[in-house]
Amino acid sequence: DAMVIQNPRYQVTQFGKPVTLSCSQTLNHNVMYWYQQKSSQAPKLLFHYYDKDFNNEADTPDNFQSRRPNTSFCFLDIRSPGLGDAAMYLCATSRVPQGTEKLFFGSGTQLSVL
Amino acid sequence: GENVEQHPSTLSVQEGDSAVIKCTYSDSASNYFPWYKQELGKRPQLIIDIRSNVGEKKDQRIAVTLNKTAKHFSLHITETQPEDSAVYFCAASIWRGAQKLVFGQGTRLTINP
Repeated sequence: DAMVIQNPRYQVTQFGKPVTLSCSQTLNHNVMYWYQQKSSQAPKLLFHYYDKDFNNEADTPDNFQSRRPNTSFCFLDIRSPGLGDAAMYLCATSRVPQGTEKLFFGSGTQLSVL
Repeated sequence: GENVEQHPSTLSVQEGDSAVIKCTYSDSASNYFPWYKQELGKRPQLIIDIRSNVGEKKDQRIAVTLNKTAKHFSLHITETQPEDSAVYFCAASIWRGAQKLVFGQGTRLTINP
């Protein structure tokens, strides 16, 4: 009965080789978020979708893109991964974009860049 | 923008003792303060949260207090058990077009048997 599902759990890619991470949700939530969490650090928001509206954080590198083809799915595309992009990528959802809503996290995808 | 400071970065307590983790935030417009527990390689799990119209909330061995005037909030864990060992993150939420959750740096809590 997983509610926010991320695939794959572990992803290995080569330096400069594009990679896509996926997230799906069964909650029918309006908002989907992507966080990057490097080792021993706090999660850092990359961007979010409110329905089809995309909102990028000011300091998110251009190398990171996202797509949300429908309510249930959201993808994180890394166009040319560098060694510094190795991290856990967490997808999260919330019902509506209000400041007091709970976030529901997926299990994350651990990305390694060789 | 919002900044969240969390202390201490590491905390070691004897089983059965209490643990306290403290956070401060900078943006007075923040109105939601969740606490997450994260075990190695796993997702952050929400353990307790508090909204800005409440000063204290308790759930069994876990409690959170909020001082809006001072802009700080704290997590209290009583009667600690070995399974409480994990990294704990505080966060402050503000609405900027959507919920913006800013995390503290994390506290690695170790419970010694």
